[in-house]
Amino acid sequence: SQTIHQWPATLVQPVGSPLSLECTVEGTSNPNLYWYRQAAGRGLQLLFYSVGIGQISSEVPQNLSASRPQDRQFILSSKKLLLSDSGFYLCAWSAYLGTGRSDTQYFGPGTRLTVL
Amino acid sequence: GDSVTQMEGPVTLSEEAFLTINCTYTATGYPSLFWYVQYPGEGLQLLLKATKADDKGSNKGFEATYRKETTSFHLEKGSVQVSDSAVYFCALSRTDSSYKLIFGSGTRLLVRP
Repeated sequence: SQTIHQWPATLVQPVGSPLSLECTVEGTSNPNLYWYRQAAGRGLQLLFYSVGIGQISSEVPQNLSASRPQDRQFILSSKKLLLSDSGFYLCAWSAYLGTGRSDTQYFGPGTRLTVL
Repeated sequence: GDSVTQMEGPVTLSEEAFLTINCTYTATGYPSLFWYVQYPGEGLQLLLKATKADDKGSNKGFEATYRKETTSFHLEKGSVQVSDSAVYFCALSRTDSSYKLIFGSGTRLLVRP
C-alpha cells in the first residue's frame, strides 16, 4: 500500500531564515505530487504541483519554491521566511493517469510552521 | 470559475444525532466530488467520493450523493459519535484539469456526549 511521509511535523523559525520541508511517497511510481497550505481556520490553497522529476507548476506567486529531485520526493523551500508563511503545510500525491488527468489525491500528516 | 460552498460552522450535535453538512458547487462539465475529514492536528483523510451524477459515496456510516440537478453533494450520517468531531471539507476536481482540487472552506463538527 502507498504511504506518504512529511517532516518535520512541527517547525518554529525566525523571520528571514530559510526553510526546507520534505515529502516522500512510498509504494507507487511516477505519482503526481502537490503542496498545499492551510492558514489558521481557513481552507486549503494549492501552492505547487509536479507531474514528474524536475517538473514544477506554481499556482500562486509567493515567497516559496518547490523542487522534485527524485520521483517520489517533493521539497518545499524558502530563502527568507515571512510572518505570512506561517501555516499548516500539506503534501499530497495522486496516481498519474495521463496528460491533464489525475486520480484521487491522498494527503500526508502535514507540517505546522510558525514564523516568529 | 469553479467553486465549492459549504455551510458555516461549527455544527454542534449531541451523540447519536443525525448529521447533514451542505455542500454545493459551481463547475462546468462533470467534476468529481470528494469529502475529506481533518481530525485535530492531522492531515486530510479521504472520507468518500463520487465521480458521476447520481453516484453515492459512502464510508464509515457517512454518505453523500452527487446531485447534478441541484449541483450538490451533501454529507449525511444517521448517528454521529464523539469521535466524528473534526473539520469536514468538500472538494471538486474537474475532469479536464484534475491536477487542482477546489476546496470549500471546511465545516467544523463538534459532537457532545
